[in-house]
Parts: sequence; C-alpha cells; structure tokens
Amino acid sequence: ETGVTQTPRHLVMGMTNKKSLKCEQHLGHNAMYWYKQSAKKPLELMFVYNFKEQTENNSVPSRFSPECPNSSHLFLHLHTLQPEDSALYLCASSQDQVETGHTGELFFGEGSRLTVL
Amino acid sequence: GENVEQHPSTLSVQEGDSAVIKCTYSDSASNYFPWYKQELGKRPQLIIDIRSNVGEKKDQRIAVTLNKTAKHFSLHITETQPEDSAVYFCAAIGSGGGADGLTFGKGTHLIIQP
Repeated sequence: ETGVTQTPRHLVMGMTNKKSLKCEQHLGHNAMYWYKQSAKKPLELMFVYNFKEQTENNSVPSRFSPECPNSSHLFLHLHTLQPEDSALYLCASSQDQVETGHTGELFFGEGSRLTVL
Repeated sequence: GENVEQHPSTLSVQEGDSAVIKCTYSDSASNYFPWYKQELGKRPQLIIDIRSNVGEKKDQRIAVTLNKTAKHFSLHITETQPEDSAVYFCAAIGSGGGADGLTFGKGTHLIIQP
C-alpha cells in the first residue's frame, strides 16, 4: 500500500461506546495530523504529532485521545462521544524540515466517516 | 493562533472563464500558503502552494498571488474546465511552522457551468 490509509472508512457508534480510528502512512514522513471535517465548516486541526511528539491540541475535548506509537502510525481513541461529533475524520502526514521549520505538502487519507447515535 | 478567512463560499462560472478565490490570514509571521482541492467524496489534494519569499507562482492554468502587506492571497484558475468543479481550501501555517499545523479556510465550492 502507498500513501495514507485510514480504517475503518465508516463507523457508527453509540454515545457510551469506545472505539478507535487508525491511520498509517507509508511515505516516510515525520509529522502526522488529525483533522475534523463537518458540513459547512473548515477542516479543523485537532492534533499534530511532529517527530512523534504531540505539539498541538486545539482545545479538543478529552473524549478524543490521540496516540502515536511511531512515526508511521496514528490512532484516535473515541470515548463517550456526542452526536455533534459526527463528522469525517481525516488523517494526514507531511515531511517537515527540522532545520528551517518548513512544513511539506500534506497528504490526506480517505477519511473515517463517524456517526454517533 | 492563525485565522484564515476565505471568499466566496460558492462560485459559479461558465466553462472557459476564469475563477478567483480570495483568502486573508491574521498571523503576519505565517510563511506558507497552500491550496487544496477536494472533489466530492474524495480526499483533499494539494494543487499549488506559495511561500512568503515570492509574490506569485504559476502552474499551467493555476496561479497563486500573495500580498504580505495586506495579508491576503488568491487562487486564479484560467480557462476553467468541468473537472475543475470541486471545493477549494486555502490554508496558512502559523509562526510555529510544522508544529502548529495548517489552518484552513472554510472552502469555496466552485461550479463550472457547461
């Protein structure tokens, strides 16, 4: 497989469930991201992992918990979500230059469509 | 943090005409401005980007201009074709570089009328 792959592609869960979204990148990149895409809203950055260290958490509720075990894998653990959390969750990766701080092109996965009942 | 505003939200043009989408940003230290295209049901993909050390960049029918003083940048598509129909997102990265992640505009739905 090449690029950025996400599983599952579709997920329906109740508010009391615990589930996880998985992302894997095969591009050798050093940064990975979770974005949330809702209808009529911009792509909202949730988490950034740069060189495996979390460097951004845009006030995301604690019911979303990221995990980055290595530079190729990223998880988003979901617990006691609300119906308004229903959205498309996009994972992305990029190759950032350490020396200059320049970020490279973002490569997105196909997304995981989450529905919370 | 960075704030990106994008206009218009919907743009309808006749096939063959030009389309212009405009964005403004708030962080004067931002130095990287990409544009992404998202076709229906597909992932966003980069179509062109510009860094703050240049004012204009062109790639075939697509061009981007940057005005650092006014803190705005624009996407220009000439000779539009049906396959240009999609949602276009502008983005900017804050002064923290890659550690900040990209902040996106709300998107412009471009409709090419035959």
